[in-house]
Amino acid sequence: ETGVTQSPTHLIKTRGQQVTLRCSSQSGHNTVSWYQQALGQGPQFIFQYYREEENGRGNFPPRFSGLQFPNYSSELNVNALELDDSALYLCASSLAGLAAQETQYFGPGTRLLVL
Amino acid sequence: AQTVTQSQPEMSVQEAETVTLSCTYDTSESNYYLFWYKQPPSRQMILVIRQEAYKQQNATENRFSVNFQKAAKSFSLKISDSQLGDTAMYFCAFMGNAGNMLTFGGGTRLMVKP
Repeated sequence: ETGVTQSPTHLIKTRGQQVTLRCSSQSGHNTVSWYQQALGQGPQFIFQYYREEENGRGNFPPRFSGLQFPNYSSELNVNALELDDSALYLCASSLAGLAAQETQYFGPGTRLLVL
Repeated sequence: AQTVTQSQPEMSVQEAETVTLSCTYDTSESNYYLFWYKQPPSRQMILVIRQEAYKQQNATENRFSVNFQKAAKSFSLKISDSQLGDTAMYFCAFMGNAGNMLTFGGGTRLMVKP
């Protein structure tokens, strides 16, 4: 069984640039959630994708967007990067669906630094 | 909106001893799940234990057990026979009816000393 994988592991960008982070879900899982974890804090929910549609969104601006592909992998895109976007971005997959409360399993994260 | 509070930013315990990490939450929902995740320095968030709110019996996974007090909205984690590999950040998390998001507490840094 393959776990959740994320790429890249580390990334350095400049303020105003755009970034794409990638996530492959655990085999058999159909739902992907993204979280932002600032240094020294707990993760904050960005959004979730189920069947290629956004299924819930946290308190993040529209410049945070995502995609889910037919193979259930996902991308997180952030436009117009700001210094405060520097964080660990975590992807989690689950075998869930609309209103299904299933355990989320996390990938190792992508550390983004915005200069 | 749900909130999760972990009141102990840091804790330490001697190897082989028992430690309890505290977590309280606030919600108006009746059907929810609670989780403890461990995040070692490698960064990967690892599931420790999960509790369904409708179950009265406290969940147990080997050396890890919870004390779930639904009326008090309290969900503490007990680690027995602490091992050096238990050193990590521990996060308490809540999942409500929507089933799509986890709300995390601020975390407790646990250090297991030899």
